[in-house]
Formats: sequence, structure tokens, C-alpha cells
Amino acid sequence: NAGVTQTPKFQVLKTGQSMTLQCAQDMNHEYMSWYRQDPGMGLRLIHYSVGAGITDQGEVPNGYNVSRSTTEDFPLRLLSAAPSQTSVYFCASSYTPGLNTEAFFGQGTRLTVV
Amino acid sequence: AQSVAQPEDQVNVAEGNPLTVKCTYSVSGNPYLFWYVQYPNRGLQFLLKYITGDNLVKGSYGFEAEFNKSQTSFHLKKPSALVSDSALYFCAVRDWGGANNLFFGTGTRLTVIP
Repeated sequence: NAGVTQTPKFQVLKTGQSMTLQCAQDMNHEYMSWYRQDPGMGLRLIHYSVGAGITDQGEVPNGYNVSRSTTEDFPLRLLSAAPSQTSVYFCASSYTPGLNTEAFFGQGTRLTVV
Repeated sequence: AQSVAQPEDQVNVAEGNPLTVKCTYSVSGNPYLFWYVQYPNRGLQFLLKYITGDNLVKGSYGFEAEFNKSQTSFHLKKPSALVSDSALYFCAVRDWGGANNLFFGTGTRLTVIP
């Protein structure tokens, strides 16, 4: 059971380039989300999805797009990378979150924009 | 809106001594609180959660947390620290909004000194 898998683990982009961060889970979780982790700021929610075909914005959605065509996959797209998007990105999933369900996290993608 | 605060960026403790990592919360309803741990270059791992009931919650790796409603706190504790407990610890709260998203504190780095 792989859990939540993120690819790639590391990426360097030039300003203005686009790329997609991949996230897949094999636990049949309805809910998936993307966070970014920055020093001193903890984890901030970028986008989330409560099921296939449904996505919504979190705290810091600007510059990012998501889609959810299947239950398993939830890719995060950077449309035109900026240095401010240098961060560590985490994908998480959980059963349709009641208030008492914990989230499962991927290993993270460390992104540097130069 | 819900939020959590971790007032200490860094906590140092000697091996074998008890440890406490502090968290305070602000919620508009009943609190649903979580602790996660992040080891270097890894994703977040769930430690424990408070939903309702006993104010002392036991979790993984010998950790426990004390819920205090009057002080709106949910401090993480361990009676005897190990060097291997050195990591980044995050407190989180479920949002009572529609998707019940998880919102994280800024994190506390715990260093256990041999």
C-alpha cells in the first residue's frame, strides 16, 4: 500500500516556466488537498477537492491550478512560475473529512524557482 | 475562522527529561485538534487527535496531549524524551466550514540533546 505518492521529489524551474506536480493516492480517499510549507509560516492550504470533479480554493491559491478527474489523482499546476513559489509542496488525502478524520501526507516536492 | 498558535519556534530538552510542545487554539465550535510530526525530508505523520471525551489523549511513539478547554490549549507531552524525537511538530485544527479543512500552526522544532 503506497499511500500518497508525489512526483517529482525535487524540481528547479526558471521564472515563467510551467510545470505540474503530481499526486496520487491508493486509499480511495474522497478528499485531497495541496499545501505549501514555508519557514516560519507552517503549512498553508492552496487548493482542495472533496471528490472527483470538484475543486475549491484554499488560503493561497493564486498562481496555481488544480483538477480532479479521478478519485486517485490530484495534480497541481504552476502556470508561470515565480520565485515566490519556491517552497516545499505537500499533497494530503483523507476520507471524506468528518471533523475527526486525520490526513495522510505525501513525502513532498521541493521546488526552487530561479 | 479556526486557528492554532504555536508560541515557540524552538524547544530544546535533554534526553530523558519530559518534553512539552505548546499549542493554543481558537474555534467557533467544539475543537477538533491534531498533532503531526515531520522528520527531516519527510512528509507529515499523524501523532494523535482530540475529538471529545478524556482531556488526556494518547498517541504514537509514547506521545500524549492534554486538552484544556478553559485555557484553549492542546499541549503535546512526553514523559521521557529520546534523541530520535528531534523533529518539527505541528498542531492543527479542523475548520467547521463546509469542507472541514485542516489548518496548521507554524510549527515547533524540537531538539533533544544527548
